[in-house]
Amino acid sequence: DSGVTQTPKHLITATGQRVTLRCSPRSGDLSVYWYQQSLDQGLQFLIHYYNGEERAKGNILERFSAQQFPDLHSELNLSSLELGDSALYFCASSVAWGDRVTGELFFGEGSRLTVL
Amino acid sequence: AQKITQTQPGMFVQEKEAVTLDCTYDTSDQSYGLFWYKQPSSGEMIFLIYQGSYDEQNATEGRYSLNFQKARKSANLVISASQLGDSAMYFCAMREGPDNYGQNFVFGPGTRLSVLP
Repeated sequence: DSGVTQTPKHLITATGQRVTLRCSPRSGDLSVYWYQQSLDQGLQFLIHYYNGEERAKGNILERFSAQQFPDLHSELNLSSLELGDSALYFCASSVAWGDRVTGELFFGEGSRLTVL
Repeated sequence: AQKITQTQPGMFVQEKEAVTLDCTYDTSDQSYGLFWYKQPSSGEMIFLIYQGSYDEQNATEGRYSLNFQKARKSANLVISASQLGDSAMYFCAMREGPDNYGQNFVFGPGTRLSVLP
């Protein structure tokens, strides 16, 4: 158990709909990252939040948005869903990266989204 | 441009043999971290090993070691004495950027390792 909690684990919805994926990081971790993994593909970096502020953006579509709340949980909102958005969405958290801290990412189990 | 390159989409290794998974990276930062993760068929992401850009010695964690060649920008993973349970997808990743600010943490396309009995 990584300590990172993602809900829901599975989600099936229709094209054009909107969904929200939720992530609770490990206790004490300030950084939250979101990734998209399509079938048999690598992990595409979407966005990074640190202590409530957006710090880095990757290949995140304009239909997608995210935020990190004061209690450090994060939500990824996906709207106007298309078939190609079907994927496993991972959230990961980490401690600050610095001396004697490797700063590896701890991953949740992922939210598997199926768009029909 | 690809920041992490893994040129081996798939690899086979005999049980108990050693195997090397290749990874090259591209960054202009002086301070960065390199990571390897394992993703079994069950889907979870498991952290294996870390190498900091200023670390002079190659990292080791049990049967995993990282062959770090900074000048060549390569960070190959070596798995010794392969086990059937090592069959999985392996991702090389890099963290760059100043501490706590705008850190990109990017992954390579992965190498699927199959261990043969």
